[in-house]
Amino acid sequence: ELKVEQNPLFLSMQEGKNYTIYCNYSTTSDRLYWYRQDPGKSLESLFVLLSNGAVKQEGRLMASLDTKARLSTLHITAAVHDLSATYFCAVDLYCESGGGADGLTFGKGTHLIIQP
Amino acid sequence: DADVTQTPRNRITKTGKRIMLECSQTKGHDRMYWYRQDPGLGLRLIYYSFDVKDINKGEISDGYSVSRQAQAKFSLSLESAIPNQTALYFCATSDSLYYEQYFGPGTRLTVT
Repeated sequence: ELKVEQNPLFLSMQEGKNYTIYCNYSTTSDRLYWYRQDPGKSLESLFVLLSNGAVKQEGRLMASLDTKARLSTLHITAAVHDLSATYFCAVDLYCESGGGADGLTFGKGTHLIIQP
Repeated sequence: DADVTQTPRNRITKTGKRIMLECSQTKGHDRMYWYRQDPGLGLRLIYYSFDVKDINKGEISDGYSVSRQAQAKFSLSLESAIPNQTALYFCATSDSLYYEQYFGPGTRLTVT
């Protein structure tokens, strides 16, 4: 059974600071996704990471994937209030079943609050 | 217009009632999914479908059934709703290149 663990689950930080959210998963996979969810809203895709060593950046967010360590990170640089949200990582079950895209296994989410 | 739509957006129903949640998409994707979200638990996969004739159970399919009426439509049914099915339900589609999933707006279901 594929397990995905995020930490921390809750993070309160000040504007201007840097921080990293970690996502560990339990079995081999080379597809990892990061999503953002605002309160009462749907999930918005942030990053798609498809290979070992993949690094993607969008504004103040940067995501990376180390498939050997089964670890992805989401780094926040110089945080601003607008980045307050819940962030989810999710892993594709592709490699579990040997098939294709059998659905995503999500972490529990990191609830991020950025205070002025 | 939204690419993935869900109806209804909110629903309150009583224990034992049958209820159907509907999902439609205009993205042209073959793959469709149903997830439920509970506070503090993330999203969990209920059912998924690769095409009209290919439907598969996910992690938590007990108490649910689905119907893929067409490439663009995927419905989730609760045959006899119970209170612990109170949750936020999301439909999603994915492409066949990067398998990135695109989520609908969600249906908030309350079973009393």
